[in-house]
Amino acid sequence: QTVVTQEPSFSVSPGGTVTVTCGLSSGSVSINSYPNWYQQSPGQPPRTLIYNTNTRPSGVPDRFSGSILENKAVLTIAGAQAEDECVYYCALYMGSGIWMFGGGTKLTVL
Amino acid sequence: QVHLEQSGSEVKKPGASVKISCKGSGYIFNGYSLNWVRQAPGQGLEWMGRIDTNTGNPTYAQAFTGRFVFSSDTSVNTAFLEINSLQPDDTAVYYCARDRCKGATGCHAFYWGQGTVVNVS
Repeated sequence: QTVVTQEPSFSVSPGGTVTVTCGLSSGSVSINSYPNWYQQSPGQPPRTLIYNTNTRPSGVPDRFSGSILENKAVLTIAGAQAEDECVYYCALYMGSGIWMFGGGTKLTVL
Repeated sequence: QVHLEQSGSEVKKPGASVKISCKGSGYIFNGYSLNWVRQAPGQGLEWMGRIDTNTGNPTYAQAFTGRFVFSSDTSVNTAFLEINSLQPDDTAVYYCARDRCKGATGCHAFYWGQGTVVNVS
């Protein structure tokens, strides 16, 4: 079965830029995967950061951006701040009404 | 504004059943599908499936067929997740999440409930 892959963890310095990727164990991510990105702090429900590859909901800071690069969805955080230290999940549409989350990427800002 | 209110924590014995609820407000309930997402302790998010609240038609992820039942009652703007034959590894936080938009392929979980803790022991 195809799984959605993410880096387990990343570290970034305050003010730095980090890119988190979201791929498929078999196949390529495209706009037809409708990548969504979510941010989750401990003990909280997820928060939608990006939908449909690169659209930010109102209220999400513009330091968060989404794209597709080399067959993967990418979440870029430019100018990371301490409050960005969370777990980030992507979700991809797999077809036939089925969605799948990636395993999550734990971001440390230090 | 859109709000999803989930029912409270549950403690169950193995083999029992549990039914948790997700009440939507601030929007037309049967206009948007609701997703169910599981998060085991210390683990990631798992998409369990969704229910079309207009038709009542459920879609289940492969790992959640058989013991898991999605339903909805539009008269009370509420969706339900029932888990039968509970096992200890069903211990998790269960979230409901409303689709961002209606009917289109790319619509997915956007507005989230606060989560319901189910403890099976």
